[in-house]
Amino acid sequence: EAQVTQNPRYLITVTGKKLTVTCSQNMNHEYMSWYRQDPGLGLRQIYYSMNVEVTDKGDVPEGYKVSRKEKRNFPLILESPSPNQTSLYFCASSSRGSGRGYTGELFFGEGSRLTVL
Amino acid sequence: SQQGEEDPQALSIQEGENATMNCSYKTSINNLQWYRQNSGRGLVHLILIRSNEREKHSGRLRVTLDTSKKSSSLLITASRAADTASYFCAVNYGGSQGNLIFGKGTKLSVKP
Repeated sequence: EAQVTQNPRYLITVTGKKLTVTCSQNMNHEYMSWYRQDPGLGLRQIYYSMNVEVTDKGDVPEGYKVSRKEKRNFPLILESPSPNQTSLYFCASSSRGSGRGYTGELFFGEGSRLTVL
Repeated sequence: SQQGEEDPQALSIQEGENATMNCSYKTSINNLQWYRQNSGRGLVHLILIRSNEREKHSGRLRVTLDTSKKSSSLLITASRAADTASYFCAVNYGGSQGNLIFGKGTKLSVKP
């Protein structure tokens, strides 16, 4: 079954304790992206990756890191989490499509609800 | 902001009625997409409409695009309680990244 898998689904942590949210897709997609969703703000892009070893900042990258060493995995790293990073996080992937940039539909994971105390 | 703007923010209707949601955007686009999100779950892609298309259908869904007005609408006909969800438009402005910019969504409630 085609899917994007995120772990953990729920996490409560404390300020400053490094954590990683994993994301894996089994569709051989080139494009992967992380979003955070907050009430009243919609989905905001954190980082994205057009392919292996190619990553770039989205709209709200501060406090986050990513890596793309393999095509299927795109982990999100919070080196020193703070309470303002409490949010619902989504990983998504897509095939590249033809031409420049992304053109196709995004496939989303089920989300990771993170609480930083 | 390049974000798409959905209207209304919330919509409550009875089962069997039609639901219409609108999305406006700022500059020329490559394509526009609609997604659905059940409470606290991941988003699910519904329809993609390209800038050279005016209308697309998928089951009970109808999407229109008016590039002169920079707007799109999503119509759900004969709504069901199971259609209760948030609906987001996402705009692809093209460019070297071609990232999708999501709006804040319309929360649809369909009462049985």
